[in-house]
Amino acid sequence: DAGVIQSPRHEVTEMGQEVTLRCKPISGHNSLFWYRQTMMRGLELLIYFNNNVPIDDSGMPEDRFSAKMPNASFSTLKIQPSEPRDSAVYFCASSFGGSSTNEKLFFGSGTQLSVL
Amino acid sequence: QKEVEQNSGPLSVPEGAIASLNCTYSDRGSQSFFWYRQYSGKSPELIMSIYSNGDKEDGRFTAQLNKASQYVSLLIRDSQPSDSATYLCAVLKGWRALTFGSGTRLQVQP
Repeated sequence: DAGVIQSPRHEVTEMGQEVTLRCKPISGHNSLFWYRQTMMRGLELLIYFNNNVPIDDSGMPEDRFSAKMPNASFSTLKIQPSEPRDSAVYFCASSFGGSSTNEKLFFGSGTQLSVL
Repeated sequence: QKEVEQNSGPLSVPEGAIASLNCTYSDRGSQSFFWYRQYSGKSPELIMSIYSNGDKEDGRFTAQLNKASQYVSLLIRDSQPSDSATYLCAVLKGWRALTFGSGTRLQVQP
């Protein structure tokens, strides 16, 4: 199994530009999570989907952030317009299961985003 | 108050010693508790889970839970330099996604 695949690994962009991060979860997993990690705030949940439906988006910072999961094998996180404070590592994770679906998360390698 | 609190460290222990990592959480309704390990520049990976009060052992790792005190700990016996990493405490309540602490950086000195 290839694991959770994220792209790009690194993204450097200028303030005001649109950024799109991509994620392919592990085949058969039915939950997908987007987390953001910074030194100051640690690992924060942005949004999570179950069976392609957004369940909790309370962590999405503001309207500049949007996430979609058009099918079970693909999700995007978009930032428009980007700001320097969005600089962080963005992790996508997936999991599988019934009542324990949110416990064991398999993380992708992350996208290191730098907004100049 | 953060939902999950950890001392950021670094916690430095000599090789072969016991490393003790601690975590407190604020929501008494939290049901399940986890320790994830994150090597520098890598992604987190699950190493331990605990659901009821007491101790749970897995090899050199022991997780401890005290729900009355809202306290979770991880003990690493016979610490090795390869254990040097950041350890993230995470809690789960109901249908919500995991809430992570900021992590404790552990350094095991050869």
